[in-house]
Amino acid sequence: DIQMTQSPSSLSASVGDRVTITCQASQDISNYLNWYQQKPGKAPKLLIYDASNLETGVPSRFSGSGSGTDFTFTISSLQPEDIATYYCQQYDNLPSTFGGGTKVEIK
Amino acid sequence: EVQLVESGGGLVQPGGSLRLSCAASGFTFSSYSMNWVRQAPGKGLEWVSYISSSSSTIYYADSVKGRFTISRDNAKNSLYLQMNSLRDEDTAVYYCARDMGGTAMVIFDYWGQGTLVTVSS
Repeated sequence: DIQMTQSPSSLSASVGDRVTITCQASQDISNYLNWYQQKPGKAPKLLIYDASNLETGVPSRFSGSGSGTDFTFTISSLQPEDIATYYCQQYDNLPSTFGGGTKVEIK
Repeated sequence: EVQLVESGGGLVQPGGSLRLSCAASGFTFSSYSMNWVRQAPGKGLEWVSYISSSSSTIYYADSVKGRFTISRDNAKNSLYLQMNSLRDEDTAVYYCARDMGGTAMVIFDYWGQGTLVTVSS
């Protein structure tokens, strides 16, 4: 199985800060990488697919980049409503696997 | 509006069985592949199973293979997960999730609210 290593596991930032989360795959997954946001008690929500494509309706402050084994997810200006846990997911090979998650909090 | 509503969760003893259902609405259910994804309490996400739109292709995670069976009824716009020989480690919120479509598999663009399965004696 492909292992997805996400970092950091948690972070605290101020409103307006730029926030960056990284995800590393244990092998080349091309651009078969998605990012999800999960708010407490809610289902996950797709934000970015194919490493860099913004899902319809998702604010443009969210972005993704990378290919191969190293990927980055960025919130350009953190907003209070962005408090959540973020997960990367690879779908190059089954089983599809998720990173361990990054919990984002407001400082 | 796309809606996915899971049901059937509850408390079951180890070794027992449970059948989860997911009622879909707001889209042409028969045109989309579907999945089950679970999340143990306080833990991350784990993909469980995939079924293609016509049920011709099915995949399972190794952790549930031989114990869980995914199925669908396109006439009823419903997805199912039959869970047998349940173990403590199957305790989780189970989500049904729609595949985005196209050539890619397991990009989950819509999720249900989840149903909690607790395996405990």
